[in-house]
Parts: sequence; structure tokens; C-alpha cells
Amino acid sequence: SQQGEEDPQALSIQEGENATMNCSYKTSINNLQWYRQNSGRGLVHLILIRSNEREKHSGRLRVTLDTSKKSSSLLITASRAADTASYFCATDADFYNQGGKLIFGQGTELSVKP
Amino acid sequence: DGGITQSPKYLFRKEGQNVTLSCEQNLNHDAMYWYRQDPGQGLRLIYYSQIVNDFQKGDIAEGYSVSREKKESFPLTVTSAQKNPTAFYLCASSITQLQPQHFGDGTRLSIL
Repeated sequence: SQQGEEDPQALSIQEGENATMNCSYKTSINNLQWYRQNSGRGLVHLILIRSNEREKHSGRLRVTLDTSKKSSSLLITASRAADTASYFCATDADFYNQGGKLIFGQGTELSVKP
Repeated sequence: DGGITQSPKYLFRKEGQNVTLSCEQNLNHDAMYWYRQDPGQGLRLIYYSQIVNDFQKGDIAEGYSVSREKKESFPLTVTSAQKNPTAFYLCASSITQLQPQHFGDGTRLSIL
């Protein structure tokens, strides 16, 4: 089952620009999480936003959540070459029917050129 | 330092052979997970365990088996019944279900 879907699939920007990635989902959620994956490595957790929160910040990262539109966005400000990675959203989806698991989207591949 | 260790980093399987991927964590996490990632794709859940001696099938459990005899360990066996095992396998753990997951650096499995 595919809950989260990221948009765009790939994004290429210059260093210093902002990068925005979007995630849409289908069913109600308790929380939504964003992860980063560098090539050939495991995922690293970035931010968790709960369904009763609208916005959350962590350093250069800003996450918004619109439960009425079933969507979230991840903004990376003043991007650096080191931000080059794939970014995934994950939702807990239909918790009571699907149990204690996250459902990951397909990811957005971000390339930041120096 | 606490973390998750997956081994080996690369693994080759012959036709008809079972292989076991190791996953160990020293984070004292209750929940552990196995995912499969194909090129350019997201993660698909194979099995997960919320507590020792208990585990549940994920979305693509066929051809795989797991055990959870110790809190720290959650090995995954890729059996000969899995006809297309070539993929990147990721193990993760979390304090409890639905909390942020910590990932290992993966095992890349290929067919000889």
C-alpha cells in the first residue's frame, strides 16, 4: 500500500537556494515524519510532526502539515551541497487497522549543485 | 555509541540457497523492522516486531522469515522461495511503534 507520495520525484537546485518537497497521503494520520537518505546509506530521521501541529522547525528545516488537504511540505533553506540526498515522508496511516508501522513514500531526490 | 549494526554490507546468494542478514541494536528499543528498497524506490516493510518473541508480517513477507529471541537482535532470512531477492535491505528500530526509527546502513544482496 502506498500512503505517502512525494512531489517532485527529483529536484535540482544551486547552493544557497531553497528546496521545497511535498508529500500527500490518503488516510487520517497520528503523525508524519520526514527522513533523509544519502546514497547507499540508511535513513536518518529529520522531523516528526503530529496531526494537531501545523508547522515545525529544526535548524534550516521547516515542515508544515495541512490535515484538511492531507499534505505536508519540507522546506530546506539556504541549501548546501551536503543536503544532496533522497528525502522521504512516512505516515502512521490507519493505525488501528494497520498496526504499528510506518508507510514510506517513494521519495524526492534532491541534488544541490555547488 | 548507540546504534544499529547490519552485517554483512554485501551478500551474494546462490540459487536455492537461504541467507541470513544480521541486525543488532544497542539502543534498548522495543520495536524493530526490516525493509526492502529497490533502485529508485521507497521502502517496503517485510516484517516488524514490537516486542521480544513476537513479530508480524509486513506488506511483502513472502519468501522471508525472522526471529526475535533477544531484544537486541532481529535477523532476517531470505529463503529460496524469494525468487527476486536482489535489493538493498534496511533494518530499523524505534523506542516503541510509530516513534522515529533509527536505521542501519543496510545490506546489499545480489544473486550469483
